[in-house]
Amino acid sequence: GAVVSQHPSWVICKSGTSVKIECRSLDFQATTMFWYRQFPKQSLMLMATSNEGSKATYEQGVEKDKFLINHASLTLSTLTVTSAHPEDSSFYICSQTGQTYNEQFFGPGTRLTVL
Amino acid sequence: QQQVKQSPQSLIVQKGGISIINCAYENTAFDYFPWYQQFPGKGPALLIAIRPDVSEKKEGRFTISFNKSAKQFSLHIMDSQPGDSATYFCAGFYNQGGKLIFGQGTELSVKP
Repeated sequence: GAVVSQHPSWVICKSGTSVKIECRSLDFQATTMFWYRQFPKQSLMLMATSNEGSKATYEQGVEKDKFLINHASLTLSTLTVTSAHPEDSSFYICSQTGQTYNEQFFGPGTRLTVL
Repeated sequence: QQQVKQSPQSLIVQKGGISIINCAYENTAFDYFPWYQQFPGKGPALLIAIRPDVSEKKEGRFTISFNKSAKQFSLHIMDSQPGDSATYFCAGFYNQGGKLIFGQGTELSVKP
């Protein structure tokens, strides 16, 4: 399967600041990547689909101006949480498809804590 | 209609026993059903998956049983081990847009 990395693995920031999370495909070109959010003891919720060279597609209820996604290359997608607030504290996970369209492989996740 | 309902929420099994997790779905547009295993603080890892035209798939100690008419599928972990203790998620792959819709998760604890 595809190997996906994320950076940073954890980040603590002050309320009102912006945080950028990187998602890298290490062994497979990814025209499409996905961003999920997971609160403690809960399931993964898809936030947006990141398409290389075009605008991301956001799920209903996800603020696109708050969660900025950039997918400038086939190996890198970034999620920027702008003006973060404590309620944005969560585990953010990216994924990409493998050699078949229906398989998704996940990164190790980024723990964001907003103080 | 895109929901995938998973049960139980938590499960405790003795070492060597069989762990069974159940999922049900409504959306007939799902055409692929993976199971993911997630350890605390880690991303989910693909465990095993099945297509709806297959009734059963086995990989080592892990088996998926699929009942298309009932829109239900389940994960069986044979000879459960303490190392299997993790949270398990079923999912349905929604071909339109390539989306994965996850179940609520089952926290499995295997006691030695």
